[in-house]
Amino acid sequence: AQSVAQPEDQVNVAEGNPLTVKCTYSVSGNPYLFWYVQYPNRGLQFLLKYITGDNLVKGSYGFEAEFNKSQTSFHLKKPSALVSDSALYFCAVRDSPTGRRALTFGSGTRLQVQP
Amino acid sequence: DVKVTQSSRYLVKRTGEKVFLECVQDMDHENMFWYRQDPGLGLRLIYFSYDVKMKEKGDIPEGYSVSREKKERFSLILESASTNQTSMYLCASISSGTWNEQYFGPGTRLTVT
Repeated sequence: AQSVAQPEDQVNVAEGNPLTVKCTYSVSGNPYLFWYVQYPNRGLQFLLKYITGDNLVKGSYGFEAEFNKSQTSFHLKKPSALVSDSALYFCAVRDSPTGRRALTFGSGTRLQVQP
Repeated sequence: DVKVTQSSRYLVKRTGEKVFLECVQDMDHENMFWYRQDPGLGLRLIYFSYDVKMKEKGDIPEGYSVSREKKERFSLILESASTNQTSMYLCASISSGTWNEQYFGPGTRLTVT
């Protein structure tokens, strides 16, 4: 069975500082990893994904994520946080290119960026 | 742009009522999903469908059923609503391209009293 852990319920960062939202995963095969963001009273929006290739993946709104196979991690990063980045962030994983296309999600991390 | 719409943003129902949540996508996606979102638990898969009239149970199907009579529409049914089904319900769809991301609707916040 596949699983995702987001160890921090909330991350606080000052505007202009770098931010990291942590994610670790467990799958039986190759991991296919995603980050989504949810703004208040909205559905989830796709940020970025890792399928194969370069371990550093760039996504929307200046976010990037680093895939680390040995540490089974896929941390989300941004060099300079904005107040508008404040939202709920979800990491998700699939372990197979076929069959069930549903994702397994982490519990979510609330990012609070202070002005 | 892909659009996934859900019939209601907010819904209040009484215990024992039959509840229908509807989801429509406009991109001809084969696969559709229903998740529920609860604080501290993330999103959990209730049911999914990979084709018209085809459905499979997800991780928490108890108390729910689904219907997919047309490709663009996927309905979630609570046969007899209970207070523990108070939650945010999110619909998603994805094409059959292997590694495409899922597209989500805005969610329906259901309260069962």
